[in-house]
Amino acid sequence: QKEVEQNSGPLSVPEGAIASLNCTYSDRGSQSFFWYRQYSGKSPELIMSIYSNGDKEDGRFTAQLNKASQYVSLLIRDSQPSDSATYLCAVNMDGGYQKVTFGTGTKLQVIP
Amino acid sequence: DAGVTQSPTHLIKTRGQHVTLRCSPISGHKSVSWYQQVLGQGPQFIFQYYEKEERGRGNFPDRFSARQFPNYSSELNVNALLLGDSALYLCASSWDSTGNYGYTFGSGTRLTVV
Repeated sequence: QKEVEQNSGPLSVPEGAIASLNCTYSDRGSQSFFWYRQYSGKSPELIMSIYSNGDKEDGRFTAQLNKASQYVSLLIRDSQPSDSATYLCAVNMDGGYQKVTFGTGTKLQVIP
Repeated sequence: DAGVTQSPTHLIKTRGQHVTLRCSPISGHKSVSWYQQVLGQGPQFIFQYYEKEERGRGNFPDRFSARQFPNYSSELNVNALLLGDSALYLCASSWDSTGNYGYTFGSGTRLTVV
């Protein structure tokens, strides 16, 4: 079983719609959760972090965490073509040292 | 403030050669982590250094080694290069050792082994 799983996509949404990206993880002891955005040919950029169950909103982005279900999601409201990128879910597994594990990423395409 | 700087940006090496990749973290950040990202995959953890000590090692062969210098810059060394080592190598900077506050990544070094 992969430690952090994401649907590779591509996920296509029309401009202005809500994009919903999902991620599951295997380690129940995981402490912190992140979403990174990676444009083609570029390095990942941190866009959201979440640590406790529930929702966390930042502008058009909302991260949702459910530790009981081992599930993290990212909602992007009013999707723009500039949001087209690969979104990486990352989880800090409880390993006694820094071990941040990334999923394979979901490619999002926002259609104008 | 300068971000995370990596050098070189691109590199072409022949199988069996050795390569050294360099990273300077954000000023004030004491933690450097190295990741390998193969095309179409997520970044894979290689090493983490904090205050010049190795704090974590991923599932990579002993051909991979790293170190951190007193100014917190870091080098990743790969010996006996294989075609499968072709990837984007990312350096990630953070101010703490726990990994709980996210990373700032450098622009990466694209390594091609031929």
